[in-house]
Amino acid sequence: DIQMTQSPSSLSASVGDRVTITCRASQSISSYLNWYQQKPGKAPKLLIYTASSLQSGVPSRFSGSGSGTDFTLTISSLQPEDFATYYCQQSYSTSSTFGQGTKLEIK
Amino acid sequence: EVQLVESGGGLVKPGGSLRLSCAASGFTFSSYSMNWVRQAPGKGLEWVSSISSSSNYTYYADSVKGRFTISRDNAKNSLYLQVNSLRAEDTAVYYCARDNTAIPTGDFDYWGQGTLVTVSS
Repeated sequence: DIQMTQSPSSLSASVGDRVTITCRASQSISSYLNWYQQKPGKAPKLLIYTASSLQSGVPSRFSGSGSGTDFTLTISSLQPEDFATYYCQQSYSTSSTFGQGTKLEIK
Repeated sequence: EVQLVESGGGLVKPGGSLRLSCAASGFTFSSYSMNWVRQAPGKGLEWVSSISSSSNYTYYADSVKGRFTISRDNAKNSLYLQVNSLRAEDTAVYYCARDNTAIPTGDFDYWGQGTLVTVSS
């Protein structure tokens, strides 16, 4: 299976900050990388697909980049509703795998 | 509005079985592949299984292969997961999630609210 490693595992930031989360794949996955946001007690929500495409309805402050093995999710100006856990996921293989998550907390 | 509503979870003893269901509405169910993803308490997300729109293709995580069976009934707009030989490590919230194409691609664009399966004696 393809292993996905996110960093950091947790992050403290303030409203208005620019935040970057990274995700590394154990082998090249081209651009088959998605990002999800999950709030406590809720289902995950798709933010970014194929590394850099913004899902419909997602604010433009979210952006994704990367290809091959290294990817980033950037939130340009944190809003109060952005404090959540973020997961990357590879969809290169039919056996999809997720990163371990990055918990974004209020500083 | 796309809606996915899971049911069928509960408390079951090790070695037991359950059938999870996911009722879909608000879209043409027969045009999309579907998936099950689980999340153990306090842990991350784990993909479990996928099925193509016409049931021609099914895929399973190694951790559930041979014990879980995914199926669907397009006439009833429903997705199922038969879970057998349950273990404590199968305890999790099970989500159904829609893929954004007829063939599984792993792009899960809509999710249900989840159903909790607890395996304990």
